[in-house]
Amino acid sequence: DADVTQTPRNRITKTGKRIMLECSQTKGHDRMYWYRQDPGLGLRLIYYSFDVKDINKGEISDGYSVSRQAQAKFSLSLESAIPNQTALYFCATSERQGARDEQFFGPGTRLTVL
Amino acid sequence: AQSVTQLGSHVSVSEGALVLLRCNYSSSVPPYLFWYVQYPNQGLQLLLKYTSAATLVKGINGFEAEFKKSETSFHLTKPSAHMSDAAEYFCAVSDRGSTLGRLYFGRGTQLTVWP
Repeated sequence: DADVTQTPRNRITKTGKRIMLECSQTKGHDRMYWYRQDPGLGLRLIYYSFDVKDINKGEISDGYSVSRQAQAKFSLSLESAIPNQTALYFCATSERQGARDEQFFGPGTRLTVL
Repeated sequence: AQSVTQLGSHVSVSEGALVLLRCNYSSSVPPYLFWYVQYPNQGLQLLLKYTSAATLVKGINGFEAEFKKSETSFHLTKPSAHMSDAAEYFCAVSDRGSTLGRLYFGRGTQLTVWP
């Protein structure tokens, strides 16, 4: 079984709809991240969380919100989706060690906003 | 903030040829450096990372990268390309003095391997 899972894997929605993307991990890691990937732009950080009570904005948090329901679960919400939020979204985890740590990625959610 | 530049958004090589993917970073203090690979329809997985004094780092699948402080570079190489190496490759950095563990990614290089 995968250590980092994301649901759904694909989603098509309409402008203005509320969308939630979910991430679960069985690695026991404290740190979790949400990224979006756009062609030619690499990955950009949306939000990150160091534990259930510690949530921080990344470089592109506008239009997004997150919830850390438990150590193992980190959800990303789009309150009112817009077409330029069409992208591939990745959840990642890492241990508490800090800057030298590898991040472990989920398989991604492909979101299309019409 | 850190900045990572990957020269060449697309690289094409023949099977058996040398693979060279370029990565340069911007900070004056050398960061931790990572190479990740993304196969089609999959998430990213770590190829290798540089965190210590050993400047030549060996990773999975025959890849290696050399940290050159004077050139602020961390280029990825493989002596002989295989068809299975076709994927997108991302260079990433994190601040050595930070406890945040935040990664800054380059824009990626798509590697095509011709038979």
